[in-house]
Amino acid sequence: SQQGEEDPQALSIQEGENATMNCSYKTSINNLQWYRQNSGRGLVHLILIRSNEREKHSGRLRVTLDTSKKSSSLLITASRAADTASYFCATKNTGANSKLTFGKGITLSVRP
Amino acid sequence: GAVVSQHPSWVICKSGTSVKIECRSLDFQATTMFWYRQFPKQSLMLMATSNEGSKATYEQGVEKDKFLINHASLTLSTLTVTSAHPEDSSFYICSARDLFGPVPSEKLFFGSGTQLSVL
Repeated sequence: SQQGEEDPQALSIQEGENATMNCSYKTSINNLQWYRQNSGRGLVHLILIRSNEREKHSGRLRVTLDTSKKSSSLLITASRAADTASYFCATKNTGANSKLTFGKGITLSVRP
Repeated sequence: GAVVSQHPSWVICKSGTSVKIECRSLDFQATTMFWYRQFPKQSLMLMATSNEGSKATYEQGVEKDKFLINHASLTLSTLTVTSAHPEDSSFYICSARDLFGPVPSEKLFFGSGTQLSVL
């Protein structure tokens, strides 16, 4: 069953604006990851945040994690048309050999 | 970074035929690979975990005899959709982790996916 649920399901913004995407999950996690998928392609790993971390940055990406609320957010600053893609959060639960479980994804459209 | 190559990118086949999809880790060894299925605008559904040198572990509801997985080497896993039917049409994606690199990675490296259309 799916662990992470992203919101909104779809997001349309103007180039240059910031995009914020949220992910909520249900059980305790070891880490949470964000992936990007261009249409008809595989997924590309963006960033990983561990359960003992609260915030991470990578270029124009900023990820936060609130384990008390079981939620994470992905912020893309100064968006570009090339950021148009689907974004998925994925959670790795605590426990040996746990698998990565993906949410349903958010479709981001950045208008030039 | 680590590269996973998936082939073919797309395939069209007649109902009743079998289709083989290959997933290769190009610059790292992958003792474990994962096979997913994805419907349009949906999430990835894990079908099975492919283990080098041993049997694959299938998720609940996935037919082992329908989706044959072989992981004969540390760099190659194959998924064969046997006796394909139109309802098997989907986007299939593989992934792997690089556990033996300079820094063991918890992130997944994905192939580019295979769009299967069964007529």
